[in-house]
Amino acid sequence: DAKTTQPPSMDCAEGRAANLPCNHSTISGNEYVYWYRQIHSQGPQYIIHGLKNNETNEMASLIITEDRKSSTLILPHATLRDTAVYYCIVSNTGGFKTIFGAGTRLFVKA
Amino acid sequence: ETGVTQSPTHLIKTRGQQVTLRCSSQSGHNTVSWYQQALGQGPQFIFQYYREEENGRGNFPPRFSGLQFPNYSSELNVNALELDDSALYLCASSSGEGFSYNEQFFGPGTRLTVL
Repeated sequence: DAKTTQPPSMDCAEGRAANLPCNHSTISGNEYVYWYRQIHSQGPQYIIHGLKNNETNEMASLIITEDRKSSTLILPHATLRDTAVYYCIVSNTGGFKTIFGAGTRLFVKA
Repeated sequence: ETGVTQSPTHLIKTRGQQVTLRCSSQSGHNTVSWYQQALGQGPQFIFQYYREEENGRGNFPPRFSGLQFPNYSSELNVNALELDDSALYLCASSSGEGFSYNEQFFGPGTRLTVL
């Protein structure tokens, strides 16, 4: 599975959009991009995933560049409860060696 | 729908001992993965079970072993505990084979401390 690179930390004001970048320049054609988050002392929580098209659900939007070498997770209206570590993962279909990097620690401030 | 549960929540052991951690999958999920998360780091994949068979393994020694039962619940066993085994152990369940197209649902974890 390809590796990902994320900034170690980011700040965001409450109510504003949080845009979390992820670089996955060695992604293969059959690898999906997954995002999870982990709030302190809890297990990771699935947010969203995509292959090449942009995706949106009730939690977030995922924007994948045309060359698929990077992506951005967008939380449209961040709240204090969105303060967490966000992990970007790439994995192919049937892939089981899920590789979590260090993630991005997002601080949402009032 | 019941989520993924793990037991115990906390555990203290001494070096050289053995430990068994338990996980109940989310209803309808037949795949279970185990992860080790050291303080301040992301989860590290230990292994995955699909329909009671090990379906892949990360870079962990053989003293880390597991089982999956017919009801898809699972155990993680660690023998000859070392100080570095102190971590949060996470279990995640999903439907289908492997990571596939399906998201994983994580339990709250078991915090293991080895003294």
